[in-house]
Amino acid sequence: AQSVTQLDSHVSVSEGTPVLLRCNYSSSYSPSLFWYVQHPNKGLQLLLKYTSAATLVKGINGFEAEFKKSETSFHLTKPSAHMSDAAEYFCVVSVTNTDKLIFGTGTRLQVFP
Amino acid sequence: GAVVSQHPSWVICKSGTSVKIECRSLDFQATTMFWYRQFPKQSLMLMATSNEGSKATYEQGVEKDKFLINHASLTLSTLTVTSAHPEDSSFYICSADTGISTDTQYFGPGTRLTVL
Repeated sequence: AQSVTQLDSHVSVSEGTPVLLRCNYSSSYSPSLFWYVQHPNKGLQLLLKYTSAATLVKGINGFEAEFKKSETSFHLTKPSAHMSDAAEYFCVVSVTNTDKLIFGTGTRLQVFP
Repeated sequence: GAVVSQHPSWVICKSGTSVKIECRSLDFQATTMFWYRQFPKQSLMLMATSNEGSKATYEQGVEKDKFLINHASLTLSTLTVTSAHPEDSSFYICSADTGISTDTQYFGPGTRLTVL
């Protein structure tokens, strides 16, 4: 069975500093992995997805994630945080051979001026 | 891009009443729609999967007689919470699958349900 574990429930950074949101996955097969962002009063937005192509995936708004099979990790990074990045971030894995998604518990990112 | 809307965005109802939530794909046809539930400061939990014209598939532990799902067209799915109770208060989110890429879902903004 697939699952994802987000290692930090809350991350705080200063504007202009790097962002690292950690996610480990568990899957018997080569997984499809995603990062979604949820801003208050807005729908979940797809940041990026990995589907067994390049291990370094570039997403929107300057975010990227690297798939590391040896570490079963899919951490989300951004070189320089912006105030508008403050939101809830979910690491997600798709269930093999289905349309279903399994969400991690989320990481709340706070960005201080 | 693909846009999904939900209506209402929030609703307050009395215990014992039923509430209907609509989910619409605005600029594409959704072969599959999904309903999730999110408790405060928790993750999204898939409740059910619905395909147009067929019965919804519910996840384990979700009462299908309490959470009625109807997927009447390729652009509309509805979730009806029947005989709502305070423990049904939650944030309900729908998503839609375009059918082009089966693992990419587009999410609605959610509906906050409060049962008094």
